[in-house]
Amino acid sequence: TQLLEQSPQFLSIQEGENLTVYCNSSSVFSSLQWYRQEPGEGPVLLVTVVTGGEVKKLKRLTFQFGDARKDSSLHITAAQPGDTGLYLCAGEVDFGNEKLTFGTGTRLTIIP
Amino acid sequence: DVKVTQSSRYLVKRTGEKVFLECVQDMDHENMFWYRQDPGLGLRLIYFSYDVKMKEKGDIPEGYSVSREKKERFSLILESASTNQTSMYLCVSGRVADTQYFGPGTRLTVL
Repeated sequence: TQLLEQSPQFLSIQEGENLTVYCNSSSVFSSLQWYRQEPGEGPVLLVTVVTGGEVKKLKRLTFQFGDARKDSSLHITAAQPGDTGLYLCAGEVDFGNEKLTFGTGTRLTIIP
Repeated sequence: DVKVTQSSRYLVKRTGEKVFLECVQDMDHENMFWYRQDPGLGLRLIYFSYDVKMKEKGDIPEGYSVSREKKERFSLILESASTNQTSMYLCVSGRVADTQYFGPGTRLTVL
């Protein structure tokens, strides 16, 4: 199974700064999802993108799906301590087969 | 409120023991999944089920089995626990095309 590579693996920034995390693969995905996981909890779905080039916004978070549907990015504007967590991307290669390939994760820490 | 519950948050077992991890969902979902999460490896699919008594192998089924006798309950079984099965186990309910809901996880340590 092709893993999705996420970068950076760790990121620690000051409150109020902007940041971008990346999710890359050599595989084409029919859809891609972003999750946030807090310590001691399971991941929570943030967004699903399905169309190449698609951009979705969730308050201060902007998600983009690459034109070729092989990569994605998550941009956070004016980061807040509540954004701290493990961010995971996950892609479905074949629509409907119910198998997700997960990325290795970006652990984000926002310093007050 | 949507709920996926797992029977234990932390579990410590000895090598060779039979281990049962239970997952219950209250959303009447047909699809349920078991993943394990390890640092640097991400989440990996062990087994999933799309109906009662139906199961399909995921990417890493070796050393595991599952049971789905009722729609709301999906159990993961480690027939003979080994130290390389020390991990965080996550149960998921729902279809990928809709919204999937994760349980809080069971952190299993095999000594």
